[in-house]
Amino acid sequence: EMQLVESGGGLVQPGGSLRLSCAASGFTFSSYAINWVRQAPGKGLEWVSYISSGSSTYYADSVKGRFTISRDNAENSLFLQMNSLGVEDTAVYYCARAYYDNNVVPSDVWGKGTTVTVSS
Amino acid sequence: DIQMTQSPSTLSASVGDRVNITCRASQSISGWLAWYQQKPGKAPKLLIYKASNLESGVPSRFSGRGSGTEFTLTISSLQPDDFATYCCQQYDSSPITFGQGTRLEIK
Repeated sequence: EMQLVESGGGLVQPGGSLRLSCAASGFTFSSYAINWVRQAPGKGLEWVSYISSGSSTYYADSVKGRFTISRDNAENSLFLQMNSLGVEDTAVYYCARAYYDNNVVPSDVWGKGTTVTVSS
Repeated sequence: DIQMTQSPSTLSASVGDRVNITCRASQSISGWLAWYQQKPGKAPKLLIYKASNLESGVPSRFSGRGSGTEFTLTISSLQPDDFATYCCQQYDSSPITFGQGTRLEIK
């Protein structure tokens, strides 16, 4: 079964940092691009970042310069380093496999998400 | 960025009903539209891609149509498992953007 499992969420103060992880199983992780998508309370989904199979990266304007996406194909893992967090970053963060290796495609495998709360 | 607007925000229906959910794009996206189903605490599920193509394993009671700026998701005969939130996503241009979601609730 293809699966993505996020971890690393939690409560952090404004200005703080957090590192999210996403563990993949059931498919050849290194062959796929992966997205991070978030959902703030009561809001719709928002694309955050993308990394191709070859590690090219893209970011939403709202997180550019603060978030860094990376991957470890040997460990079948994806990461999101989040710095200078603000209350507007409070959300459930999902990792989602891109349908194919392009940053403008649907996602066909999603995790259940990990919750990030930024609050003092 | 392309804005995606769904209607209605909430829809009340009964098992067996036929329901339609509409998604409008702020500019033409050709047929580059996907639909997802979301349930609390669960992974979002891809239902339809390229406006009308059913993802593998998705029941045939789900269908999609549309092109340009207006799209529709139809569930032909609601089943108990279908009560969830549905959202659309455009992937015509970067950044990909999503609608705000339509909550389908039991009447």
